Amino acid sequence: EDQVTQSPEALRLQEGESSSLNCSYTVSGLRGLFWYRQDPGKGPEFLFTLYSAGEEKEKERLKATLTKKESFLHITAPKPEDSATYLCAVQGAPFQAGTALIFGKGTTLSVSS
Amino acid sequence: DTAVSQTPKYLVTQMGNDKSIKCEQNLGHDTMYWYKQDSKKFLKIMFSYNNKELIINETVPNRFSPKSPDKAHLNLHINSLELGDSAVYFCASSQRQGNGYTFGSGTRLTVV
Repeated sequence: EDQVTQSPEALRLQEGESSSLNCSYTVSGLRGLFWYRQDPGKGPEFLFTLYSAGEEKEKERLKATLTKKESFLHITAPKPEDSATYLCAVQGAPFQAGTALIFGKGTTLSVSS
Repeated sequence: DTAVSQTPKYLVTQMGNDKSIKCEQNLGHDTMYWYKQDSKKFLKIMFSYNNKELIINETVPNRFSPKSPDKAHLNLHINSLELGDSAVYFCASSQRQGNGYTFGSGTRLTVV
């Protein structure tokens, strides 16, 4: 059964204090690993898709990396506006139309100034 | 223009009532989904439709019935609401050879 585990559940950082969020997964043939950001009262907002081990993607202060067993979301010099819940999800093979994303429970990040 | 829109945003109702949530997407995507997010923010798939055809129907009480009149719309009807149905329900859409989903802003359902 496909499974996604995120750690830590909650993370408090000072502004400028870099850190990483972890997403470990078990999936029968990874088709894609996705990172989303969710603000309170809103729907998840797409950040990155990673397809194969060794792949990296960056967006502003965020950098996502992927190995065969886990993904990291690195946050460099975070600002208070980076505070949100970060969700990791996987899509397994074989892919067919309508294949669901399996989500982890998220990491809630709080950045204080 | 909102890509995936859900109505209503908030829904407060009594136990035993029947209610519907509507979802529309203007992205031209072929596949639409309903997810339930519980109080611990865990997102779990409920249903998936591809081009109006039901693809995924997870272990959900049969009080929940999705309907897709066309590929741009996916509605969720819930009969005989129970306290445990209280949650945030998200609609999402993706391309057939999907690259992640686009989510709506959610419907917060409270059953009292």
